[in-house]
Amino acid sequence: TQLLEQSPQFLSIQEGENLTVYCNSSSVFSSLQWYRQEPGEGPVLLVTVVTGGEVKKLKRLTFQFGDARKDSSLHITAAQTGDTGLYLCAGAPQMAGSYQLTFGKGTKLSVIP
Amino acid sequence: DAGVTQSPTHLIKTRGQHVTLRCSPISGHKSVSWYQQVLGQGPQFIFQYYEKEERGRGNFPDRFSARQFPNYSSELNVNALLLGDSALYLCASSPEAKPNYGYTFGSGTRLTVV
Repeated sequence: TQLLEQSPQFLSIQEGENLTVYCNSSSVFSSLQWYRQEPGEGPVLLVTVVTGGEVKKLKRLTFQFGDARKDSSLHITAAQTGDTGLYLCAGAPQMAGSYQLTFGKGTKLSVIP
Repeated sequence: DAGVTQSPTHLIKTRGQHVTLRCSPISGHKSVSWYQQVLGQGPQFIFQYYEKEERGRGNFPDRFSARQFPNYSSELNVNALLLGDSALYLCASSPEAKPNYGYTFGSGTRLTVV
């Protein structure tokens, strides 16, 4: 069974601060995806990272895939209240014939004005 | 373009009853996956269908079943409902079977079993 552990579970910061969220596993994934979910809504895809060591930037958000494709991080610069939400990482399986995404439990981020 | 649509949005059922949840994927997407999200947890994989064939099944009891229709829409059925089935049920759509490049999720169906 592939597991993804996210840390921290909860994060409350002031507007303008920086933060990093981590997603770790002992398994290798073919890709790692990050989603943001608002209460009562489905997750929305932010980014997919595919190559070990890959770094992608989405405005103030920076995503990194570990060299061994087992872990990932999300860094937010100068957080805004609109960044509040549940951040989920999800791994796509490397093994052939497997089509399920494995999700972490999420990091609940609150950005206080 | 319309996104992934799910119906109903909310549902309250009694233990032992049966429920059918529906999903219409993005136009042109042939893959539909179902996930269950219990409060405070990440989504858990239930089923994936691609081109009307089941491609994957998660660790859920046989009370859970699904199918995909020729127009690629899908239904998730749950029999003999238990209190523990209360959750947000999410449908995800993608053009291909493998989820390597991410999914588009619907807003979900909130099922409450009393």
